Amino acid sequence: EVQLVESGGGLVQPGGSLKLSCAASGFTFSGSAMHWVRQAPGKGLEWLGRIRTETNTYATAYAASVKDRFIISRDDSKNTAYLHMDSLKTGDTAVYYCARAYLDSAAFLLVWGQGTPVTVSS
Amino acid sequence: QMTQSPSSLSASVGDRVTITCRASQGISIYLAWYQQKPGKVPNLLIYAASTLQSGVPSRFSGSGSGTDFTLTITSLQPEDVATYYCQHYHSVPFAFGPGTKVDFK
Repeated sequence: EVQLVESGGGLVQPGGSLKLSCAASGFTFSGSAMHWVRQAPGKGLEWLGRIRTETNTYATAYAASVKDRFIISRDDSKNTAYLHMDSLKTGDTAVYYCARAYLDSAAFLLVWGQGTPVTVSS
Repeated sequence: QMTQSPSSLSASVGDRVTITCRASQGISIYLAWYQQKPGKVPNLLIYAASTLQSGVPSRFSGSGSGTDFTLTITSLQPEDVATYYCQHYHSVPFAFGPGTKVDFK
């Protein structure tokens, strides 16, 4: 069964950091580009960024709203993608999803995790 | 930048529903549609503007290219109550539309 499981969410103070993990199973993780998407309470989906495969030099790209604060990485030996978040703001409060793209070059999101909630509050 | 219209709509069972998505610049057919039911994870409906994802009912269809796209539900069913999002994947940064909430009258 194809599955993505996020973890690492929780309560963090403004200005703090948090690292989310996305554990993959049931497909060839190393051959898949991985994306992160978030959804603030009662709001729409926001694409945050993606990391491509080793074949594509693990290239990353980010939304302007999180560029310079968020970093996406991956460990293919552990079938896990990561989202490291720095300088968190109250506006970063959201459910964070990881998702697998159909292909490295076709970035529609075929499989989604269940999400992990992040609350930024003092 | 993606826009969607309407932001919400109410329809009856059996109605034909049309949702529009517009890109601020040409994106060819690099557009996907997702359905998100209340409290659930988004689910891919359509990719490449008009290709139906496996397992998605045939009452859903997509069309368009360039900057203007449409998602159509030919006969609305009770289980179609959801918010629908378009997403472009033409070039980074990718982006979702703001969503269209569909419910029943």
